Amino acid sequence: EDKVVQSPLSLVVHEGDTVTLNCSYEVTNFRSLLWYKQEKKAPTFLFMLTSSGIEKKSGRLSSILDKKELFSILNITATQTGDSAIYLCAVRYTGNQFYFGTGTSLTVIP
Amino acid sequence: DAEITQSPRHKITETGRQVTLACHQTWNHNNMFWYRQDLGHGLRLIHYSYGVQDTNKGEVSDGYSVSRSNTEDLPLTLESAASSQTSVYFCASSDPGPADTQYFGPGTRLTVL
Repeated sequence: EDKVVQSPLSLVVHEGDTVTLNCSYEVTNFRSLLWYKQEKKAPTFLFMLTSSGIEKKSGRLSSILDKKELFSILNITATQTGDSAIYLCAVRYTGNQFYFGTGTSLTVIP
Repeated sequence: DAEITQSPRHKITETGRQVTLACHQTWNHNNMFWYRQDLGHGLRLIHYSYGVQDTNKGEVSDGYSVSRSNTEDLPLTLESAASSQTSVYFCASSDPGPADTQYFGPGTRLTVL
């Protein structure tokens, strides 16, 4: 059965800490992996990864994909309270369908 | 600016009633999706469409239907609402091709009493 598993389920850190969020997948006909940020409303797109070993970076956020070991990580450095959100991992497979993980809830304490 | 909207944003209904949730996008995307989001389950795909007159069942399609008569709209109908369908519903759209980004609507919170 296809699945996307995220860990940890929740995380509480202090401002300035660095966090690593994990996403592992077992999906037939993998095409790409996407990360989203959700703050009490609709998910917003962060990164799309298709190739192993190539880091995508945007400010304090970065992500990398390992297609051999079937996982991705999302790193956030120097966390801020505005980073508090649910981070969703999704895998695109077979055409244009997306399979989502349950998310990691990140809380950043001042 | 292009956008994707959903209505209503909040809805309370009774068991057994038919309910329709609207989704409208101005991205001119061919692909549209409906998800439900529940604690512990993340986002689960209900139905999706790759274009006008095309509809497909997703992971949790029982009790739901969609129709696609134009590019902009994909209404979701609950034929006979059940308490298990209390959830937050998100509509999304995307364009086929290498840019896989899905754009999400603001969500509809549905409560079935």
